[in-house]
Amino acid sequence: NAGVTQTPKFRILKIGQSMTLQCTQDMNHNYMYWYRQDPGMGLKLIYYSVGAGITDKGEVPNGYNVSRSTTEDFPLRLELAAPSQTSVYFCASAITGELFFGEGSRLTVL
Amino acid sequence: RKEVEQDPGPFNVPEGATVAFNCTYSNSASQSFFWYRQDCRKEPKLLMSVYSSGNEDGRFTAQLNRASQYISLLIRDSKLSDSATYLCVVIYNDMRFGAGTRLTVKP
Repeated sequence: NAGVTQTPKFRILKIGQSMTLQCTQDMNHNYMYWYRQDPGMGLKLIYYSVGAGITDKGEVPNGYNVSRSTTEDFPLRLELAAPSQTSVYFCASAITGELFFGEGSRLTVL
Repeated sequence: RKEVEQDPGPFNVPEGATVAFNCTYSNSASQSFFWYRQDCRKEPKLLMSVYSSGNEDGRFTAQLNRASQYISLLIRDSKLSDSATYLCVVIYNDMRFGAGTRLTVKP
């Protein structure tokens, strides 16, 4: 099993550009999450989903959008990128409370 | 008040030391609790779940105090390989992380 796969691993964006971070899992988990982690800080929840077709906001949803059309995929879209969105983004799926993380996507907005 | 707060750290301890971290949570209806470990520039990985009765895994002991709304992690006989950031996770409707406590174990 591949587990949770995130792409891209690295990306540099210009201010105002848009992009989508892809996340897919092959474990058939219903729960999926997007977190961001700024340098030296903990993880902040952006959005989460409890199943296909259902998404909900976390702590820091502004500037982001998500969709969950299938159990496997949970893409995160950044509209109008801003320097404040420079961070490492982690996608995770969960079962019975245990989170399985992707390797992270490092995004820089210049 | 933040939903999940951890000891700020960092903790710098010698090999063999015992070190303890605390994590407080604000929502008394929180249902599940976990400790995760994160190595530098890596994704977090589950260290252990925290049960009401307390649980132990080798040198690691986790405890939950629902009355005071905190969880703790005790590491005995610290090893160099224990150096990492330790994150507590609290579940209510979603999964919220504490900011993490950085531990450095020195020779």
